[in-house]
Amino acid sequence: EVQLLESGGGLVQPGGSLRLSCVTSGFTFSTYAMSWVRQAPGKGLEWVSSITATGGTTYYADSVKGRVTISRDNSKNTLYLQTNSLRVEDTAIYFCAKEKQRNFDYWGQGTLVTVSS
Amino acid sequence: EIVLTQSPATLSLSPGERATLSCRASQSVGDYLAWYQQKPGQAPRLLIYDASNRASGIPARFSGSGSGTDFTLTISSLEPEDFAVYYCQQRSNWPLTFGGGTKVEIK
Repeated sequence: EVQLLESGGGLVQPGGSLRLSCVTSGFTFSTYAMSWVRQAPGKGLEWVSSITATGGTTYYADSVKGRVTISRDNSKNTLYLQTNSLRVEDTAIYFCAKEKQRNFDYWGQGTLVTVSS
Repeated sequence: EIVLTQSPATLSLSPGERATLSCRASQSVGDYLAWYQQKPGQAPRLLIYDASNRASGIPARFSGSGSGTDFTLTISSLEPEDFAVYYCQQRSNWPLTFGGGTKVEIK
């Protein structure tokens, strides 16, 4: 059974940082691209970032470029999102998602990031 | 950036009725369009990929059609568990983008 479990969310002040993690199981992690997708409270879905299976190529939404870094550790079956210079508008549930040809076929339950003073 | 516009924003229907949801792209995405279902407090679930292919375990009452810029998700006969929000997503170009969603609510 494919499982994705996010952690690392929480309350942070504007300008602060958080490192989100997504531990996976049930599939061969090292052979799939992975992504982060977020959802602000009461709003729709927004793609944030993707990383190829080897980690050699990364992609970012303009809204986060320069402030977040996606990475992965294939030996630990874990995906990461380092978020810096956080803004109030970054408040959202952050989902990690397994990619299948840039569709998202499995999702975690998400971790809530709240940016507030 | 490819903008996806979903309509209507809200669809009020009764169980057993047919639901027709639309997604229009600002430029051609070929067949590279997916549909997701999201229920309150849950993660999205992939329903349809590449415009018309049902994902694993998705009931046959869900079908997708279209290509280029105009796409449709059809639910042939609504079951109680189908009342949710539906999103389209394109994978043709970076950045990957989602539509704003259509809420299917009980009439």
